[in-house]
Amino acid sequence: QSALTQPASVSGSPGQSITISCTGTSSDVGGYNYVSWYQQHPGKAPKLMIYDVSNRPSGVSNRFSGSKSGNTASLTISGLQAEDEADYYCSSYTSSSTLVFGTGTKVTVL
Amino acid sequence: EVQLVESGGGLVKPGGSLRLSCAASGFTFSSYSMNWVRQAPGKGLEWVSSISSSSSYIYYADSVKGRFTISRDNAKNSLYLQMNSLRAEDTAVYYCAREDPRGFHFDYWGQGTLVTVSS
Repeated sequence: QSALTQPASVSGSPGQSITISCTGTSSDVGGYNYVSWYQQHPGKAPKLMIYDVSNRPSGVSNRFSGSKSGNTASLTISGLQAEDEADYYCSSYTSSSTLVFGTGTKVTVL
Repeated sequence: EVQLVESGGGLVKPGGSLRLSCAASGFTFSSYSMNWVRQAPGKGLEWVSSISSSSSYIYYADSVKGRFTISRDNAKNSLYLQMNSLRAEDTAVYYCAREDPRGFHFDYWGQGTLVTVSS
């Protein structure tokens, strides 16, 4: 199972919006609405930010939103803040009943 | 409060074995599927294995199939990963993660335990 494809880095100024893409295949992202997104700060465990494509867990800011079109899912962070600087990973359920993560995206707040 | 605490990591020689443990507390462990996820130094996340609440369903990533064995003891609220025939590329921080029953995502993670495979 190959990792889902994410851009290596995305940057934006405070207050701006950025979007991170996550591209897979019809056997994972395109075939199921089980795409999730995780935020990871250096030296810390990942934190769930979005699940089932577009749902936010309790306590996660509404500045984070998710969507999907075909084999590509997206995470949008609006009103970018310094604390959003972190690595972000997408994940999807697959047709093999396994899970696959994306390659990861480093978000930099300029 | 949900807590997941991994242990058992360390330095092991190529070809060696290691058993990781994850102690769970703050929730009904026997009701949740559990997973292992790893992260090599400076690299991304890699899903390793999952086990259903009653151990009926077990899955592995191709990279560890035949070498790693996931198991659980619901009476002890514990998750395990037996790792055999270890390779340098297995060097990583290993996280245990709770799977949300609503879908295939992880709502709680441990702090991780480092496994280093080196001669």
